[in-house]
Amino acid sequence: AQRVTQPEKLLSVFKGAPVELKCNYSYSGSPELFWYVQYSRQRLQLLLRHISRESIKGFTADLNKGETSFHLKKPFAQEEDSAMYYCALSGLGYSTLTFGKGTMLLVSP
Amino acid sequence: DGGITQSPKYLFRKEGQNVTLSCEQNLNHDAMYWYRQDPGQGLRLIYYSQIVNDFQKGDIAEGYSVSREKKESFPLTVTSAQKNPTAFYLCASILLQSGRTEAFFGQGTRLTVV
Repeated sequence: AQRVTQPEKLLSVFKGAPVELKCNYSYSGSPELFWYVQYSRQRLQLLLRHISRESIKGFTADLNKGETSFHLKKPFAQEEDSAMYYCALSGLGYSTLTFGKGTMLLVSP
Repeated sequence: DGGITQSPKYLFRKEGQNVTLSCEQNLNHDAMYWYRQDPGQGLRLIYYSQIVNDFQKGDIAEGYSVSREKKESFPLTVTSAQKNPTAFYLCASILLQSGRTEAFFGQGTRLTVV
C-alpha cells in the first residue's frame, strides 16, 4: 500500500521567513513524488516533481529515501505563496496517484 | 482549448436522488480519476480508470458508480447510497509516464444535498 503523510494542516509564516512543508511517504518500491498547489479560486496544479530536480517559484524538494521524506522548501516566503499544498506519490506501474491531506500555507505581510 | 472540463460547477441534490457529474478531457490521456475533497481530509480517491471500458475502485468507492465508454469521458454518479455526499468533487486526467507523470485537474463540482 502507498501512503502520503503531511503532518501539518496549517503553516503560518511571515513574509521573508523560510518555509518547509513536510511530507513523508510509505511505499515499498521506488516512487515518484510530487508537490501540487491549489491557489485560491484556481485549479489544483503540479508545482514540481522530484525527478526533475528543479526549482519552481523558488520552491525545491529533495527526495530522501532513507527518511522516506519529500519536504518542500523555500528560503524566503512571499505573500503570493499562500495556498494549499499537496504532496503526492505515484507507485509501481504508475497505477495510482495518492495524495496527502494537504497543508495550508499562509504568508502574512 | 485543450484541457479537462467538469460540469456543472454547482449541483444541488435532494436526498434519495442519484446525480451524475460530468468530466470530459481532450488531452488524449488514458487515465482518468475521481477524487473527493473535504476540509482536513485532502484528496480521497473514489474511482479511477486506466483504459476505456475498465475502471477500479479507489479508497472510498461506496455509494458511487462510474463508466468509461469513451476515452474522453468519465462520468461519476453519486447514488442515494452515499451517506454523506455533500463535498467538492475533482476529476483528473492523468498522464502516466516515467519522468512525466502529471495530473491535470478540472475546476471541480460542488455537490450539496438539500
